[in-house]
Amino acid sequence: GENVEQHPSTLSVQEGDSAVIKCTYSDSASNYFPWYKQELGKGPQLIIDIRSNVGEKKDQRIAVTLNKTAKHFSLHITETQPEDSAVYFCAASRINTDKLIFGTGTRLQVFP
Amino acid sequence: GAGVSQSPSNKVTEKGKDVELRCDPISGHTALYWYRQSLGQGLEFLIYFQGNSAPDKSGLPSDRFSAERTGGSVSTLTIQRTQQEDSAVYLCASSLSSSTDTQYFGPGTRLTVL
Repeated sequence: GENVEQHPSTLSVQEGDSAVIKCTYSDSASNYFPWYKQELGKGPQLIIDIRSNVGEKKDQRIAVTLNKTAKHFSLHITETQPEDSAVYFCAASRINTDKLIFGTGTRLQVFP
Repeated sequence: GAGVSQSPSNKVTEKGKDVELRCDPISGHTALYWYRQSLGQGLEFLIYFQGNSAPDKSGLPSDRFSAERTGGSVSTLTIQRTQQEDSAVYLCASSLSSSTDTQYFGPGTRLTVL
């Protein structure tokens, strides 16, 4: 069945450094890839998404890249800040199917 | 505007009892999703409602789990004869019309089965 793998499970960085989280997906028909940030005690919140017709998307300090051939996509956070500390989830779905398949999450800690 | 709300925020129950969890989606959102998040785990899809279509129940783990959505708005997830392995955070999300529209999540209901 559809599967999304996410690495690493935990990531610790110094404030100001970059953080990269990687995901791979199994369904070659997947064409929508959102990233969610979940803070303690809250529901996940969308931070950025990408569709299969582009290879990269950037929003301030956050960027996502997509390699459809290799079936993987990555989240890049530059100039990390302590408030970036949270659990990040990647997900994938196909247009015209109505189910997001989530990765297992990455706990990011940014130390001041 | 108001986001997705869920109630209760916490529920402690005894093994074997039934529980009902409620989700109020964002007004105007036709798609509604339930997920389960076990401690330290990712989000496990449970069930999906879209408008008046038959729900996608493919993620429900057993026949003890059921959900309904009345009037295309509020949804209730029911777990019958709860087991300890049902302990988790149950998250609800809604989107404008499909999963490729942004899914907005509620804060979740933390269920603890003793």
